[in-house]
Amino acid sequence: LAKTTQPISMDSYEGQEVNITCSHNNIATNDYITWYQQFPSQGPRFIIQGYKTKVTNEVASLFIPADRKSSTLSLPRVSLSDTAVYYCLVVRTGANNLFFGTGTRLTVIP
Amino acid sequence: DVKVTQSSRYLVKRTGEKVFLECVQDMDHENMFWYRQDPGLGLRLIYFSYDVKMKEKGDIPEGYSVSREKKERFSLILESASTNQTSMYLCASSLSAGMDYGYTFGSGTRLTVV
Repeated sequence: LAKTTQPISMDSYEGQEVNITCSHNNIATNDYITWYQQFPSQGPRFIIQGYKTKVTNEVASLFIPADRKSSTLSLPRVSLSDTAVYYCLVVRTGANNLFFGTGTRLTVIP
Repeated sequence: DVKVTQSSRYLVKRTGEKVFLECVQDMDHENMFWYRQDPGLGLRLIYFSYDVKMKEKGDIPEGYSVSREKKERFSLILESASTNQTSMYLCASSLSAGMDYGYTFGSGTRLTVV
């Protein structure tokens, strides 16, 4: 599976848009990009998934360029409750194992 | 919403004890997983199961075993607990190995072995 690299931590003020970029240079044709969110003392929660271009849901947007070697999770107008660890995963179709790295710890400041 | 329920939020066990961690999901998911999460190491897969009575080793199965007698229940067993098994244990389930549904995690069991 393609290894992912993302920043260890980020800070943002409330109300700002936050973009977390993940690189996955060795992504394969049948790999998807998935993001999870984890609050303290809870299990990770699926946020969004995409293959290419742009995906948007009620929580976030995911931007994937044509070469798919990176992806950007965009959180619009963050609030204090968005403080969490965000994990970028490359997932192979049909695979049963998710590889979670150490994620990006986002801290939203009032 | 799919619910994955782990029987205990916190457990304290003694070295050498046999420990059972229970996980139940309520949406007829095929796949179930056990991960452990440690600071600086992220989540690591211990075992997973894609069907009743089926199990596959993950990345760190040593010192653990699992049981899946019913589709909704997946148990993690520490045969003889050791202090290096102190960790947060997370159970997850997914409908299939496909990517359309994501994985649903439980809230975790924080196990301390003393």
